[in-house]
Amino acid sequence: AQSVAQPEDQVNVAEGNPLTVKCTYSVSGNPYLFWYVQYPNRGLQFLLKYITGDNLVKGSYGFEAEFNKSQTSFHLKKPSALVSDSALYFCAVRDKSSSASKIIFGSGTRLSIRP
Amino acid sequence: EAGVAQSPRYKIIEKRQSVAFWCNPISGHATLYWYQQILGQGPKLLIQFQNNGVVDDSQLPKDRFSAERLKGVDSTLKIQPAKLEDSAVYLCASSFSGAGGAGELFFGEGSRLTVL
Repeated sequence: AQSVAQPEDQVNVAEGNPLTVKCTYSVSGNPYLFWYVQYPNRGLQFLLKYITGDNLVKGSYGFEAEFNKSQTSFHLKKPSALVSDSALYFCAVRDKSSSASKIIFGSGTRLSIRP
Repeated sequence: EAGVAQSPRYKIIEKRQSVAFWCNPISGHATLYWYQQILGQGPKLLIQFQNNGVVDDSQLPKDRFSAERLKGVDSTLKIQPAKLEDSAVYLCASSFSGAGGAGELFFGEGSRLTVL
């Protein structure tokens, strides 16, 4: 069975500092990995995904994520945080090996950027 | 390009009443998903359609929840009778790629259900 874990419920960062939101996953085969952001009273918005190839993936709003197969991790990063980055972030995984596999979401990490 | 449309945005009902949510995916997207998001949790997949066929409904409480996508375009999710624990946001999403593909999901803004 596939699963995804976001070990931190909340991450607090000062504006201008680098940020990291952690994600680890478990699948039987190889993964497709995704990050989404959710603003209050809105649906989820896609940020970036890893399919194959380069382990460093760049996405929207200056975010990037690094795929680490040995650590089964896909941490979200940004070199310099903005107050507007404050939101709820979800990591998600899908198992490549199954044509009918589901996209499973983590429990979310609330990112708070202080001015 | 129009996004995923959902209605109603908000609904308040008494327990044991029924409710229906509607979703119209992005044009051309073959795969449609319904997720349930309880406050403080990540979205949980209820049902996944590929065109008008069900790919996965393993986590749909079939004694009270039903969903259909008759013409392979828009979809309706129904709850009858509702329970207090059904209070959640119901998110509809669609994807261009087929089931199991690498395509990202595009989400609607959700339908918030409160059961009293």
